[in-house]
Amino acid sequence: GENVEQHPSTLSVQEGDSAVIKCTYSDSASNYFPWYKQELGKGPQLIIDIRSNVGEKKDQRIAVTLNKTAKHFSLHITETQPEDSAVYFCAASDNYGQNFVFGPGTRLSVLP
Amino acid sequence: EAGVAQSPRYKIIEKRQSVAFWCNPISGHATLYWYQQILGQGPKLLIQFQNNGVVDDSQLPKDRFSAERLKGVDSTLKIQPAKLEDSAVYLCASSPHRSNYGYTFGSGTRLTVV
Repeated sequence: GENVEQHPSTLSVQEGDSAVIKCTYSDSASNYFPWYKQELGKGPQLIIDIRSNVGEKKDQRIAVTLNKTAKHFSLHITETQPEDSAVYFCAASDNYGQNFVFGPGTRLSVLP
Repeated sequence: EAGVAQSPRYKIIEKRQSVAFWCNPISGHATLYWYQQILGQGPKLLIQFQNNGVVDDSQLPKDRFSAERLKGVDSTLKIQPAKLEDSAVYLCASSPHRSNYGYTFGSGTRLTVV
């Protein structure tokens, strides 16, 4: 089955700096790669996603890149703000939400 | 659009007791998922329903966990008897028919087994 690894497990950055979180996956059949932000006491919330026919996608300060050959994808947050502090999860699945597997998470702290 | 509703928000029980969680998905979402999220880990799928039928329950500990989705809408997840290692957040998610578009999580139920 699918296995998703995520690094780093914790990340601290100064406000205004960039943050990068990296994930790798094992199943070449996976073609949907979402990123979720989870704040304390809340469920994961989708922040951006990418499908395998796209190499990069950007939404304001957030971008995701995908290298399907190498089976890895990354989340980039620019101009970080204290409200970006949360746990971020990457995930991988096929088109139908089958084998939806999450990485172990990255705790991001943005220091003012 | 209302989100995925879950209740209760918190539950504390003693080991060997039973507990049930409730989930109401987004209206019109045919697919419903239950996840277990242990502290410091990513969510792990327990069971997936398509309408009122089970699609995948391969990771559900069936000796103690059960779930149902009557009438293809609300769902309940039950644990009987609970063990200490069941302490976790139980998340419900829903999505439209066989699609990961609009995949939305509820806020979860935090279970503590003492």
